[in-house]
Amino acid sequence: AQSVTQLDSHVSVSEGTPVLLRCNYSSSYSPSLFWYVQHPNKGLQLLLKYTSAATLVKGINGFEAEFKKSETSFHLTKPSAHMSDAAEYFCVSGNTPLVFGKGTRLSVIA
Amino acid sequence: DAGVIQSPRHEVTEMGQEVTLRCKPISGHDYLFWYRQTMMRGLELLIYFNNNVPIDDSGMPEDRFSAKMPNASFSTLKIQPSEPRDSAVYFCASSFNYGTANSPLHFGNGTRLTVT
Repeated sequence: AQSVTQLDSHVSVSEGTPVLLRCNYSSSYSPSLFWYVQHPNKGLQLLLKYTSAATLVKGINGFEAEFKKSETSFHLTKPSAHMSDAAEYFCVSGNTPLVFGKGTRLSVIA
Repeated sequence: DAGVIQSPRHEVTEMGQEVTLRCKPISGHDYLFWYRQTMMRGLELLIYFNNNVPIDDSGMPEDRFSAKMPNASFSTLKIQPSEPRDSAVYFCASSFNYGTANSPLHFGNGTRLTVT
């Protein structure tokens, strides 16, 4: 069965510093992978998706993720954190049914 | 595009009462999902529909929960009778051609249910 593991339940960064949110996937074949963001009292919003077309995927709000098959990873990064990035982030394996990670809460300190 | 619309945004009810949550998916989407989110269990898929037909309801916790999709633009999730452990945020999501690489889910803003 497919699964995704988000390695950190909480990440705290200072504004203007890089963001790294880690995700490992478990799959016997190349999966479809997504990152979603959830701001307080809101639904989940798609940040970016990997569909095997390119290993480096760019998303909204300056986020990107790199698919590394050798490491079975799909980490989410952003060069410079903004206060508005504070939210919960979910790594998702895009197959039937969708498999959600437990989420990583990102805090951004001024 | 108005997005997925859920109502109500908040529901507070007493144990034993019937609760009905409503969802209007994005027009043209052929899949609809109901999820429940709690701190302890994260996001759980309860049930999903394809072209108004329930495909997988294995995530529905027990017989107290039921979901219907009478047409392509409306779905309900009903809990009868409600219990305090049902307190959670319930999300509805829709998708077009789910299961392919280009079919992300679009989520509503959720209904926060509190059962006292």
